[in-house]
Amino acid sequence: DVKVTQSSRYLVKRTGEKVFLECVQDMDHENMFWYRQDPGLGLRLIYFSYDVKMKEKGDIPEGYSVSREKKERFSLILESASTNQTSMYLCASSSYDGDEQYFGPGTRLTVT
Amino acid sequence: AQSVTQLGSHVSVSEGALVLLRCNYSSSVPPYLFWYVQYPNQGLQLLLKYTTGATLVKGINGFEAEFKKSETSFHLTKPSAHMSDAAEYFCAVSAPTGGFKTIFGAGTRLFVKA
Repeated sequence: DVKVTQSSRYLVKRTGEKVFLECVQDMDHENMFWYRQDPGLGLRLIYFSYDVKMKEKGDIPEGYSVSREKKERFSLILESASTNQTSMYLCASSSYDGDEQYFGPGTRLTVT
Repeated sequence: AQSVTQLGSHVSVSEGALVLLRCNYSSSVPPYLFWYVQYPNQGLQLLLKYTTGATLVKGINGFEAEFKKSETSFHLTKPSAHMSDAAEYFCAVSAPTGGFKTIFGAGTRLFVKA
């Protein structure tokens, strides 16, 4: 069965801390995505990757970076967490461009 | 560039009543269209998708959607609501002109009353 896992379901960090969110997929998918989800705003794309070591900015990349050293793993990094980055973070993967995406369970991050 | 509009951020129905969640899209080329469902504290899961072929698409849990090109719509329906259908629903579109980037609607929360 298809699976996308995220390293934490809930995370509480302090302002200024460096935060790592990890995502792993077991489907050998080419594409991986990081979204943030906020009430009333739907899903907003932060970054995506279409191959190992390849990445592209999404709609809201400011304050974030990503790393994809292996095909199955895509990490989201908050270099210096701020309170406005408190949100639900969703990782997803897909086998090819435009195809359905498979989502992880999400990480609810609170920055205090 | 493509876009998606979901009409109504909240929809409330009685158990056993028809569910209708509206989605309109904008795309200059034939799009791929999706409906996803999100239960509380979970990620999104695919309900159904339209790529090509038959315009009436059947999905999981008794849901279906019809692609209407002339109306640029892809509304989601279910004949009889169950309490377990209470969730948030997202319409999404992707198209080759957007590099197959997927655009999600803002979501519609469905409430089901006993």
